[in-house]
Amino acid sequence: SYDLTQPPSVSVSPGQTATITCSGDALPKQYAYWYQQKPGQAPVLVIYKDSERPSGIPERFSGSSSGTTVTLTISGVQAEDEADYYCQSAHTDNTGVFGGGTKLTVL
Amino acid sequence: EVQLVQSGAEVKKPGESLKISCKGSGDSFRNYWIGWVRQMPGKGLEWMGIIYPGDSETRYSPSFQGQVTISADKSITTAYLQWSSLKASDTAIYYCARWRGGNVGSHFDFWGQGTLVTVSS
Repeated sequence: SYDLTQPPSVSVSPGQTATITCSGDALPKQYAYWYQQKPGQAPVLVIYKDSERPSGIPERFSGSSSGTTVTLTISGVQAEDEADYYCQSAHTDNTGVFGGGTKLTVL
Repeated sequence: EVQLVQSGAEVKKPGESLKISCKGSGDSFRNYWIGWVRQMPGKGLEWMGIIYPGDSETRYSPSFQGQVTISADKSITTAYLQWSSLKASDTAIYYCARWRGGNVGSHFDFWGQGTLVTVSS
């Protein structure tokens, strides 16, 4: 078993770029996924396989991976992007693990 | 279209049993795993476990093994999460979601709306 570590909070002004990191020892060997959760709503997948964007997710959302850290980047942040963001990865036995979550505040 | 519809909110007393459900459309159950995620009040997402309705194979997070039971009835495309003896610390929103694997890797791609479980004396 392993943990995924995220910063508790990130703040950014509208139009700027937000970067949210997620660190974990298994990330060089396992894909990472990112979910957006707005208050009172179920999570929504925004990035899969480190950097792929599901249909319907705006192009301003992107993902990258380097060693034990994966990064979610939101370019040209909009007020509607204010939400909690969670990274997730998997163990070799097909079980999963979430990071602790990052609250993105749009100033 | 993939849809997962969960049962309604529950209010229970400590020590009581509970079974909540997640009904899926055909595409959400055929050849996919269904999982459960806990979100305690004001807290983050926790991966609980998954089930393959085709043969009822289950996998649990160590944190939830023995604490809950995940089951499914493929004939009615419904998955379940149950407790035999609830505790106040089980108060949370519980989400079901479809767990993908294979060449897209292991992740949840479609989610239910969540079921709020409140355990209080």
